[in-house]
Amino acid sequence: DAEITQSPRHKITETGRQVTLACHQTWNHNNMFWYRQDLGHGLRLIHYSYGVHDTNKGEVSDGYSVSRSNTEDLPLTLESAASSQTSVYFCASSETRQGPLLEAFFGQGTRLTVV
Amino acid sequence: KNQVEQSPQSLIILEGKNCTLQCNYTVSPFSNLRWYKQDTGRGPVSLTIMTFSENTKSNGRYTATLDADTKQSSLHITASQLSDSASYICVVSANYGGSQGNLIFGKGTKLSVKP
Repeated sequence: DAEITQSPRHKITETGRQVTLACHQTWNHNNMFWYRQDLGHGLRLIHYSYGVHDTNKGEVSDGYSVSRSNTEDLPLTLESAASSQTSVYFCASSETRQGPLLEAFFGQGTRLTVV
Repeated sequence: KNQVEQSPQSLIILEGKNCTLQCNYTVSPFSNLRWYKQDTGRGPVSLTIMTFSENTKSNGRYTATLDADTKQSSLHITASQLSDSASYICVVSANYGGSQGNLIFGKGTKLSVKP
């Protein structure tokens, strides 16, 4: 079955370190997204991509970057981790840019703690 | 500002009882509204997606309604089960020129079903 997987599931890192969270999907979806989820907030969009070599900033992109070198993967990099980036991160993918009824599939999440 | 508000914030019900969760939104232009179920420690999973012209949609014991005039939606759960314990997230998609717009997430309603 097609799926979307994130790794690692849990990570603890130190302030100032560079961290990369992996997201891999086998749906062959063009669209991929990274969100963060914090208490008291809905999921907030960090970055998204509509296809290979395409990346776009979301609502809370400062301090994060992504790259899309193939269809399956959209790694999220924290350039210099800060305590404010302690959160649960979700990756999602969906089929195509056009159309109102796009089903978005979410990964199981990565819990990141910055100490 | 595009917003999605959900109520109540949390809800406790007894197994077998029905419940209704509410979602109000101020998103324009409106494309579609989704309800997601998020189990603890997991990513959100889609329950229903409704466009402007649909006012009710069912998925098993879950029935979503949409009133596009008042910009309100509800999710009704019938004959609740312990496995229904989760957060339920209302998500509204804005339609920007026909392409997939941002998904605007509510903060969710945390439902606990007790035996």
